[in-house]
Amino acid sequence: NAGVTQTPKFQVLKTGQSMTLQCAQDMNHEYMSWYRQDPGMGLRLIHYSVGAGITDQGEVPNGYNVSRSTTEDFPLRLLSAAPSQTSVYFCAMGTHRSSGSLYNEQFFGPGTRLTVL
Amino acid sequence: GENVEQHPSTLSVQEGDSAVIKCTYSDSASNYFPWYKQELGKRPQLIIDIRSNVGEKKDQRIAVTLNKTAKHFSLHITETQPEDSAVYFCAASPNDYKLSFGAGTTVTVRA
Repeated sequence: NAGVTQTPKFQVLKTGQSMTLQCAQDMNHEYMSWYRQDPGMGLRLIHYSVGAGITDQGEVPNGYNVSRSTTEDFPLRLLSAAPSQTSVYFCAMGTHRSSGSLYNEQFFGPGTRLTVL
Repeated sequence: GENVEQHPSTLSVQEGDSAVIKCTYSDSASNYFPWYKQELGKRPQLIIDIRSNVGEKKDQRIAVTLNKTAKHFSLHITETQPEDSAVYFCAASPNDYKLSFGAGTTVTVRA
């Protein structure tokens, strides 16, 4: 099992361009999410999904779209790239523990480093 | 929403000494508190976590404590080694899914 994979590893865009960051998992986990990581700000949640067909906004959703048509894939789309979206993007997956206490142990993909000029 | 504050932002310790990182959270409904370690250029990796019905958890040289009343939790690393040098993030989850992260602590272990 590869866990979480992300493509591409690096990407440079011009302002106004659109693109899709790919995230895939082969563990059949229900939960997937996208974070961005900026220096001195930790990781901030962009969007998340608790299963196929279900998505919701996180802390910083503006400028990004997601869809979850299958359990395996959770792509992140930048509609019109802006320099403020220059960041490292991490996809994460998690499974809902069912041992009486609900919490979500999340595992991160390798990340995509995006630069918007 | 949940707000997590993490201190200190940088921490330098002598090899063999202990390191302590503290986090506070704002949402009393938060019930899950993981800690992640991130080495330079790598992904964050879960190192330990604690639930709100537990006050302390230990895994070899790493321990986490939780004070629900004061809404703070801490990471303790004992007998630090050079490979402990990394950025450490705390996080809190007010529901089953969303993680709110602290800004991170850069730990440097001096040989």
